[in-house]
Amino acid sequence: AQSVTQLDSQVPVFEEAPVELRCNYSSSVSVYLFWYVQYPNQGLQLLLKYLSGSTLVKGINGFEAEFNKSQTSFHLRKPSVHISDTAEYFCAVSPNDYKLSFGAGTTVTVRA
Amino acid sequence: DTEVTQTPKHLVMGMTNKKSLKCEQHMGHRAMYWYKQKAKKPPELMFVYSYEKLSINESVPSRFSPECPNSSLLNLHLHALQPEDSALYLCASSQVMGPTEAFFGQGTRLTVV
Repeated sequence: AQSVTQLDSQVPVFEEAPVELRCNYSSSVSVYLFWYVQYPNQGLQLLLKYLSGSTLVKGINGFEAEFNKSQTSFHLRKPSVHISDTAEYFCAVSPNDYKLSFGAGTTVTVRA
Repeated sequence: DTEVTQTPKHLVMGMTNKKSLKCEQHMGHRAMYWYKQKAKKPPELMFVYSYEKLSINESVPSRFSPECPNSSLLNLHLHALQPEDSALYLCASSQVMGPTEAFFGQGTRLTVV
């Protein structure tokens, strides 16, 4: 079985400041890891994914994440946020089957 | 074309109504999914279709009935819903059923009155 813990439910941040969203997972098998973003009244959009290879993953909109197997973490970062980054962010894991398991989500609010 | 298109965007229905949600993708994906998302919660998987056959039903009540007429289309038929079924219903697709990225539609906001 696998589970995902997003350690921060809400993250307020000022425009042009850096942001880090923390995600830890537990799994007894190898997993694939994803970050999705959901803007208000929208569906989910894939930001980035880790399937294998380099542990530093770059995604869209200037986001990146680092896979740390020993700490079972997959934290998301952006060096400088914009107002348009205000959204809900979901970390998700998928072991070697069909099911995406989502974390509870982190609400990012960017203020001017 | 990397879009998953859902219609309608909004739906209000009474508890005795029958309605359908529609989902379409033209990416050649062979796995399609229905998720339910309540406010401020992550999506919850309902159904998975793989190669147009129902592969997974996550113990969803029978008032929700999925259908996959062909490889590009996925429907969710609704009948005798309850107010607690009000939610955002998301359709997604992936190349195959498995640990690969899923593409999501914009969702249908359903309100049951």
